[in-house]
Amino acid sequence: DGGITQSPKYLFRKEGQNVTLSCEQNLNHDAMYWYRQDPGQGLRLIYYSQIVNDFQKGDIAEGYSVSREKKESFPLTVTSAQKNPTAFYLCASVSGTLYGYTFGSGTRLTVV
Amino acid sequence: AQSVTQLDSQVPVFEEAPVELRCNYSSSVSVYLFWYVQYPNQGLQLLLKYLSGSTLVKGINGFEAEFNKSQTSFHLRKPSVHISDTAEYFCAVSRANAGGTSYGKLTFGQGTILTVHP
Repeated sequence: DGGITQSPKYLFRKEGQNVTLSCEQNLNHDAMYWYRQDPGQGLRLIYYSQIVNDFQKGDIAEGYSVSREKKESFPLTVTSAQKNPTAFYLCASVSGTLYGYTFGSGTRLTVV
Repeated sequence: AQSVTQLDSQVPVFEEAPVELRCNYSSSVSVYLFWYVQYPNQGLQLLLKYLSGSTLVKGINGFEAEFNKSQTSFHLRKPSVHISDTAEYFCAVSRANAGGTSYGKLTFGQGTILTVHP
């Protein structure tokens, strides 16, 4: 079945360390997105990519980086510059015809 | 730019009662509207969407929503809820017919936690 796979489901990081969250899709979608979810704040856009080797900053890109070397993959790196990284991170992709997001199951990152 | 306000952060309701989750949006251009549901520690699942046409949109699990352009609202309703409907619900908006770097970008509301009691 087609879908989006995020890994790992839970991730613990020490302060000062970079960590990379994986997002892989086999839906043949061109556009992919990373959102951060905090309680009571909804989802906020971090980065998005509409084609391979191109991506744009979202509303809260500071302290994060991404790459898009393959259509299927859009990894997110949370760097040590991100001051408050503990959150639930969601990856999504969009079908041009259905115009609705397909979401992954998320990665919960905790800084210890 | 678009913005979304979900008017209730929490909605408690008894099983088999009707429910309405309220969503208002702000935009200077035409929009597409969406409702998503999220169960604990999971991703979001699309319930329904309004792109064009009939303002009454039916979705999965017996939910429906009505687009009201004059009141800039897109309230979600279900005539009889079940325990399994307990979840967080998100309203979202995007520019209609957006191209370029605006394509596909959604703005989400803060979420409404629906709790169905037996």
